[in-house]
Amino acid sequence: KAGVTQTPRYLIKTRGQQVTLSCSPISGHRSVSWYQQTPGQGLQFLFEYFSETQRNKGNFPGRFSGRQFSNSRSEMNVSTLELGDSALYLCASSLITSAYTDTQYFGPGTRLTVL
Amino acid sequence: KQEVTQIPAALSVPEGENLVLNCSFTDSAIYNLQWFRQDPGKGLTSLLLIQSSQREQTSGRLNASLDKSSGRSTLYIAASQPGDSATYLCAVSVYTGTASKLTFGTGTRLQVTL
Repeated sequence: KAGVTQTPRYLIKTRGQQVTLSCSPISGHRSVSWYQQTPGQGLQFLFEYFSETQRNKGNFPGRFSGRQFSNSRSEMNVSTLELGDSALYLCASSLITSAYTDTQYFGPGTRLTVL
Repeated sequence: KQEVTQIPAALSVPEGENLVLNCSFTDSAIYNLQWFRQDPGKGLTSLLLIQSSQREQTSGRLNASLDKSSGRSTLYIAASQPGDSATYLCAVSVYTGTASKLTFGTGTRLQVTL
């Protein structure tokens, strides 16, 4: 079974631009979560989608948004990029059979650099 | 607000040594605790998941324990190898009203030397 895939793997943008990142979950997984990883803040939760609905949202500004499609693929969008948005963005998918046993499987990440 | 702390931040050990990584969390109302491994510039690989009702889980040379009442977990690595060198992250699954989410610790960077 193929793992979680993320595209693109690397991205360079300039301040003020916007960017869209894509995540394809493991086949059969309906939950997709997004995380931002930076050296200073570590791994922080952005949001989670399940069956095309955002169920959970972290403490990030409205410039960060996402969506999920009917095939469970998810996209994350960041508008008006700032230098501080430079980070590794990780996507994780899970099967959601039970909150107690749910394991999240992570993709390789998208490295975003904002100049 | 759930806070997760990992000690030490970095650790260097010679090959073959047994070692323990520590994780502590402030709110015991968790669904589960997971240990992940991250290689430089890569994504996370799930190592072990301990349900809130369990005390420990084992996988090969890895053993993770959970003491929910004291807010602590340990990851024991037996007979360490250079290939174990990576950053180890613990994460607790918490319920936020509509769904669960992971709160991560800051990680322990492990180097196993020859």
